[in-house]
Amino acid sequence: EVQMLESGGGLVQPGGSLRLSCAASGFTVRSYGMSWVRQVPGKGLEWVSHITGTGGITYYADSVKGRLTISRDNSKNTLYLQMNNLRAEDTAVYYCARDPQGSSSWPYYFDYWGQGTLVTVSS
Amino acid sequence: DIQMTQSPSSLSASVGDRITITCQASQDISKYLNWYQQKPGKAPKLLIYDASNLETGVPSRFSGSGSGTNFSCTVNSLQPEDIGTYYCQQYDNVPITFGQGTRLEI
Repeated sequence: EVQMLESGGGLVQPGGSLRLSCAASGFTVRSYGMSWVRQVPGKGLEWVSHITGTGGITYYADSVKGRLTISRDNSKNTLYLQMNNLRAEDTAVYYCARDPQGSSSWPYYFDYWGQGTLVTVSS
Repeated sequence: DIQMTQSPSSLSASVGDRITITCQASQDISKYLNWYQQKPGKAPKLLIYDASNLETGVPSRFSGSGSGTNFSCTVNSLQPEDIGTYYCQQYDNVPITFGQGTRLEI
């Protein structure tokens, strides 16, 4: 059974850092594209970042480029999102999501999602 | 970035109704359009990919159509469990983008 469990969210001050984790089971993260998608409570969905299965190529939304870094640890079958220099506008629920097209050039669609982890940036 | 515009923003319907949600892209995206359903407090669920392909396990009352810039998601014979917010998403290019959502009430 495919499962993804996010962790690492919490309250952080502006300018601070957090690292989100997405522990996967039932599949191998290196074989699939994986994204982070966020959602401000009560608002819509915003794609944040993606790492391709083949080659591990990374993509970022302009709003987070240079501050957020996506990575994966194949030995732990876990996806990460390192979040630095956080801003109030980064406050959201962060979901990890799996793209079943492992060889796709960029994110196509997402067939499995984690339950989400809330990041709150506030002083 | 490609803008995705959904209509209506909210919709109230009755059990057994047929409803249609539309999604318009700001430029031609061929068939690279997906639909998700999100229930309150839950992660989104993939319903339809590539404009018209039903995801495994999704009831056949859901269907999708369209290409280019205009797309639609139809639910035949609406059921109580279909409540939630529906999002379209394009993947013609990065950044992938979502519509603003359509909230469905029954």
